[in-house]
Amino acid sequence: DSGVTQTPKHLITATGQRVTLRCSPRSGDLSVYWYQQSLDQGLQFLIQYYNGEERAKGNILERFSAQQFPDLHSELNLSSLELGDSALYFCASSRQAGSSYEQYFGPGTRLTVT
Amino acid sequence: AQSVTQLDSQVPVFEEAPVELRCNYSSSVSVYLFWYVQYPNQGLQLLLKYLSGSTLVKGINGFEAEFNKSQTSFHLRKPSVHISDTAEYFCAVSAPNTDKLIFGTGTRLQVFP
Repeated sequence: DSGVTQTPKHLITATGQRVTLRCSPRSGDLSVYWYQQSLDQGLQFLIQYYNGEERAKGNILERFSAQQFPDLHSELNLSSLELGDSALYFCASSRQAGSSYEQYFGPGTRLTVT
Repeated sequence: AQSVTQLDSQVPVFEEAPVELRCNYSSSVSVYLFWYVQYPNQGLQLLLKYLSGSTLVKGINGFEAEFNKSQTSFHLRKPSVHISDTAEYFCAVSAPNTDKLIFGTGTRLQVFP
C-alpha cells in the first residue's frame, strides 16, 4: 500500500459525459501527479500540482482539467468523453517537487467509455 | 527532450534463472533514471533510481541496474528470479530541472516454474 488513495476504482460512462476522478496523496506529500495508461499511448504524464498550484503540464487534452485543493487532495475532470479516453488513470504523490523525490503511485481508476 | 526505449516487450524466463531487462534513453542533458514495477491490477512501485554517483544501483527485491552514459543505457538485472517477479517493468527518465517522468513502453517479465 503506497498510501495514495484513488476513487473510484472503476468508472463506466457514455461518450459525451463528464467524470471526476479523485486522489488523496500520502500524508505530508505536497506534489500530486496525474498519469494516463492506455494500450495505444502507454503511460503518459498529464499534469502536476504542487501545494495547490499547477507546476507542470504534459499531454493533457483541453477537455481535461485538474486542481489541487487546500487539503492537498486532487481531482481530475474529464469532459466530453470519447471512446479513446478509456484508460487507467493514475495519481502519484511526492514529498516535494522535483524528480529526485520518489513518486508514490495510487492503485488507479479504470475508466471505460462506451 | 528525453525519450526512453525498452527494447523487449516480453521476456519469458524460468524460475531461478538470471534476467536482464533492457532500457536505452535519449537526452541532450544529464538525466535521472528510474525503474518501476507494476504488478497485475496495481499501481507502479519504484524499484530503484539513479540520480548521480555510483553507476551501479541496487534496489528492492534483489534487483540492480547499471547506468552506462556512453551507451545511454540503464539495464535492469536480477541474478535469480522468482515466480513472484512476474510483472510489467517500466523504465523512466527525467531531467533534473523538470518533475515529470517519461516512461518507456514497458517489458512484461513472465517467470515460469
